[in-house]
Amino acid sequence: AQKVTQAQTEISVVEKEDVTLDCVYETRDTTYYLFWYKQPPSGELVFLIRRNSFDEQNEISGRYSWNFQKSTSSFNFTITASQVVDSAVYFCALSDRGSTLGRLYFGRGTQLTVWP
Amino acid sequence: DVKVTQSSRYLVKRTGEKVFLECVQDMDHENMFWYRQDPGLGLRLIYFSYDVKMKEKGDIPEGYSVSREKKERFSLILESASTNQTSMYLCASSLRVGAGSNQPQHFGDGTRLSIL
Repeated sequence: AQKVTQAQTEISVVEKEDVTLDCVYETRDTTYYLFWYKQPPSGELVFLIRRNSFDEQNEISGRYSWNFQKSTSSFNFTITASQVVDSAVYFCALSDRGSTLGRLYFGRGTQLTVWP
Repeated sequence: DVKVTQSSRYLVKRTGEKVFLECVQDMDHENMFWYRQDPGLGLRLIYFSYDVKMKEKGDIPEGYSVSREKKERFSLILESASTNQTSMYLCASSLRVGAGSNQPQHFGDGTRLSIL
């Protein structure tokens, strides 16, 4: 069975702090894909990154970085020097070869608030 | 850019009414999805579709139905609206690339539905 756990329900930081959002996943498949989405207050989920299970290299995109560790089944997301515009709900998601027809399994999300 | 358009941002209906939520995508995606989002529960999949006239139940299909008469359009129907269906509804689409899934879903802005 597929499962994604985002244990942090809410996180508050002050601008310029670094913050890490945790994501732990479960799957029996050896081939799977992990995703992060951002949902700003406007409501639309914005796709941030996709990572497949065979690529354990960490990824950096500007202030965003992702740490994928198969040994701990984690795919954590770090924002460096956070800004107020980073305030949003962040979702981690999983799909694998058992996922029916393009289905993603989402975690419950982490609400990040960045204070000025 | 992929564009997923939901017909209404805000909708208010009465208990017992038949409610239609419409979603259109412009990228010729095979897969389309309907989710509802409630505080503390994350995104829950209601129904999804992988082709015209095809549909699959998600995790919470009770009280809902769907229609996919054209590839670009996926409608969610509340047959007899109830107050517990007050929620944010999100539509998404994705490309189908064979078995399993490695394609991100692209989301609309969401419809905030209130049932009085």
